Amino acid sequence: TAGITQAPTSQILAAGRSMTLRCTQDMRHNAMYWYRQDLGLGLRLIHYSNTAGTTGKGEVPDGYSVSRANTDDFPLTLASAVPSQTSVYFCASSAAGGRGSPLHFGNGTRLTVT
Amino acid sequence: LAKTTQPISMDSYEGQEVNITCSHNNIATNDYITWYQQFPSQGPRFIIQGYKTKVTNEVASLFIPADRKSSTLSLPRVSLSDTAVYYCLVGVADKLIFGTGTRLQVFP
Repeated sequence: TAGITQAPTSQILAAGRSMTLRCTQDMRHNAMYWYRQDLGLGLRLIHYSNTAGTTGKGEVPDGYSVSRANTDDFPLTLASAVPSQTSVYFCASSAAGGRGSPLHFGNGTRLTVT
Repeated sequence: LAKTTQPISMDSYEGQEVNITCSHNNIATNDYITWYQQFPSQGPRFIIQGYKTKVTNEVASLFIPADRKSSTLSLPRVSLSDTAVYYCLVGVADKLIFGTGTRLQVFP
């Protein structure tokens, strides 16, 4: 079972360009999340979705947007990338909105904005 | 948003028991406490979860006092492969917030 698939694995992006990070899960989980991980700051929540058709803002949502058109996919879009968005991005899912349901993570997308 | 606090780093030797404590003063009544392990270049991996008192599985134990304002992850007899970053996670109003993480280094 694949679990969480993220693409691309890594990317170098020029500042001002847009990009969509893809995330797909095959576990039929209701909830999905996007985190960024920076050295010394741990994991910080960007956006989340408790079920298809709904999304919410996390700790650091500015500069990012998400959509949840169906259960399996939860893309993260950077409309106009800035160097401070250089980070490792992790997508995760859980069966029931997080409480009492462990998160399952992908292996991340390493993004460098130049 | 509630804040969780963990020690930044810990050192241990193979065969020792390691206890990592997480503080979460603003935990909500319905929130669970979950611990994850992360190796370099990988996503975090679930270790153990609990609501109150003590939970034990094949890899760890989790101790939660009655007031639930903290929790302690206990790793029995660590090995070199337990060298990783350990995160405490407490659910807050449908937004899951990670702690700062504890970098555990196990020495031979």
